[in-house]
Amino acid sequence: EGQLVESGGGLVQPGGSLKLSCAASGFSFSGSAMHWVRQASGKGLEWVGRIRSKANNHATEYTASVKGRFTIFRDDSNNTAYLQMNSLKTEDTAVYYCASRSLYYMDVWGKGTAVTVSS
Amino acid sequence: QSALTQPASISGSPGQSITISCTGTNSDVGGYNYVSWYQQPPGKAPDLLVYDVNKRPSGVSNRFSGSKSGNTASLTISGLQAEDEAHYYCASYTGSSTLVFGGGTELTVL
Repeated sequence: EGQLVESGGGLVQPGGSLKLSCAASGFSFSGSAMHWVRQASGKGLEWVGRIRSKANNHATEYTASVKGRFTIFRDDSNNTAYLQMNSLKTEDTAVYYCASRSLYYMDVWGKGTAVTVSS
Repeated sequence: QSALTQPASISGSPGQSITISCTGTNSDVGGYNYVSWYQQPPGKAPDLLVYDVNKRPSGVSNRFSGSKSGNTASLTISGLQAEDEAHYYCASYTGSSTLVFGGGTELTVL
């Protein structure tokens, strides 16, 4: 029941940019909210942000630490969500998970993609 | 938005029951019935255990149950099993329309 596959992680220098992708299958992508959650090595989960469905105007919300630097967008025709990360900092180093489907909780998770911000 | 407060670790013996607390404010846990709980085994992605405070997704054992009183939510695991060893995280919707996680609790089955 539902699958998410992240891609696009890698090594980037501080101040650089990276775009993560999240391909969905097996559920109604267009009707679902899409979240991004990150986890630094040995640390807890941190909610990054969310994009709502078209019915909710594709509205986005972000945690304070990434607001203005990260942008979430989606392509409902290709069942894919994206996380564009700009002005990256070393503290953005983490495994990034995409997750879905409710506005209020996440019952489908990807396996994550690792992002390392280092010079 | 500050992280919700969870105990860093908890332990119990097989067959026992344990309860993990998750304390927030009236702007998150206390203000909305949108608390969820996740189990994360080592090296794996999280799985949803409980949503909307006390609802279980299909396929989740009824040994897992959620509740809330005021600004504190709780996850109770009954009949502890060795396979329950994992990290557990609570999350809540907030008044800013965002979500916030707890710091996580490591469960050890003795």
